[in-house]
Amino acid sequence: DAGVIQSPRHEVTEMGQEVTLRCKPISGHDYLFWYRQTMMRGLELLIYFNNNVPIDDSGMPEDRFSAKMPNASFSTLKIQPSEPRDSAVYFCASSPGDDRGSNQPQHFGDGTRLSIL
Amino acid sequence: AQKITQTQPGMFVQEKEAVTLDCTYDTSDPSYGLFWYKQPSSGEMIFLIYQGSYDQQNATEGRYSLNFQKARKSANLVISASQLGDSAMYFCAMREGRSGNTGKLIFGQGTTLQVKP
Repeated sequence: DAGVIQSPRHEVTEMGQEVTLRCKPISGHDYLFWYRQTMMRGLELLIYFNNNVPIDDSGMPEDRFSAKMPNASFSTLKIQPSEPRDSAVYFCASSPGDDRGSNQPQHFGDGTRLSIL
Repeated sequence: AQKITQTQPGMFVQEKEAVTLDCTYDTSDPSYGLFWYKQPSSGEMIFLIYQGSYDQQNATEGRYSLNFQKARKSANLVISASQLGDSAMYFCAMREGRSGNTGKLIFGQGTTLQVKP
């Protein structure tokens, strides 16, 4: 079975540029999560969706960050304009819906390592 | 308030010995789930084991077991017969039940484990 697929794996870009990270969740999963991981702040939840609807975006750092989920098989996280402090590993994860029980883990993609110069 | 606390930033263990990684949590919800993830140096997040708050027995998955002490609000991960490939960062996470299953996980700061040959 295909896992969560993220692209690109690595992104290096200059400050001020727009960055778009992509995620394909596991088919049939109702939840999709975007995380950011840094040495200083650890693993932070940015936003999550249930059935393509954003449920909680309180972790989104500021207006420069936006996320969309136009359909059940695709989500994007966009940073515009990017800044050096946005450099981090960004993970996408998905999990089954509530009907499958509370013991369902989140399945993570391999992450996108983002460097803003 | 910190909901998941992992007090050991780093741990060492000799190969073939057992090691316990600590995790304490804080919740007033009677229904919750606890998860452990492994993150090797390659960066991916790997689900290891789950414990539900109503589970009568401690969870086990191969060499991984969970020492669940509900009254103490602790869910320590025990790795038996450590292998060099167990060297990684380990995260404890909690899902609260509340009204319905939100799917959202709260992660601890992680513990880095190094297995010595």
